[in-house]
Amino acid sequence: KNEVEQSPQNLTAQEGEFITINCSYSVGISALHWLQQHPGGGIVSLFMLSSGKKKHGRLIATINIQEKHSSLHITASHPRDSAVYICAALYNTDKLIFGTGTRLQVFP
Amino acid sequence: DAGVTQSPTHLIKTRGQQVTLRCSPKSGHDTVSWYQQALGQGPQFIFQYYEEEERQRGNFPDRFSGHQFPNYSSELNVNALLLGDSALYLCASSLYRNNQPQHFGDGTRLSIL
Repeated sequence: KNEVEQSPQNLTAQEGEFITINCSYSVGISALHWLQQHPGGGIVSLFMLSSGKKKHGRLIATINIQEKHSSLHITASHPRDSAVYICAALYNTDKLIFGTGTRLQVFP
Repeated sequence: DAGVTQSPTHLIKTRGQQVTLRCSPKSGHDTVSWYQQALGQGPQFIFQYYEEEERQRGNFPDRFSGHQFPNYSSELNVNALLLGDSALYLCASSLYRNNQPQHFGDGTRLSIL
């Protein structure tokens, strides 16, 4: 059983839509990562957060420690946002446990 | 400032063979972690190296072994390859336990025939 669960697995949207991807983790962590993976395989770290909320451009990440839940929001989505978004829980030994990812496709 | 580099980018092997994958960490980083990502799945942690020693290990058999060199670069070795070893192998570097994001390479895509 994966200790990190993401939903939805697949998501399609029209350009301009507001997008939310959810992540739940089952045990206490030191931080939660949101990562973006493009078709070639390269992974880019978007956010690392342990509490509250972070914003970078059109991307917003929130985490609720009590509920063991995090969300990634994309405002005014664009076709270039199409990618796989992965959440990963960081445990106190530097070990990352990954979710299975959410495949996002944004159509013009 | 070079990021994490991995080589080769693609590799094709046959069952039973052995393979070595290489990773150079981002400048200034001292810790290298290896992950296996099967098609359609999230990455799975293989092991982590710091100070030339394996510090943590995921649920992978002994066929998977590694090494870290004094310059912090690392190798992942897989012996007796199985069809199920076909995957994208990702390397990530970081500073040991400093609670900063890991930086990922583009991966090596390994196909076993």
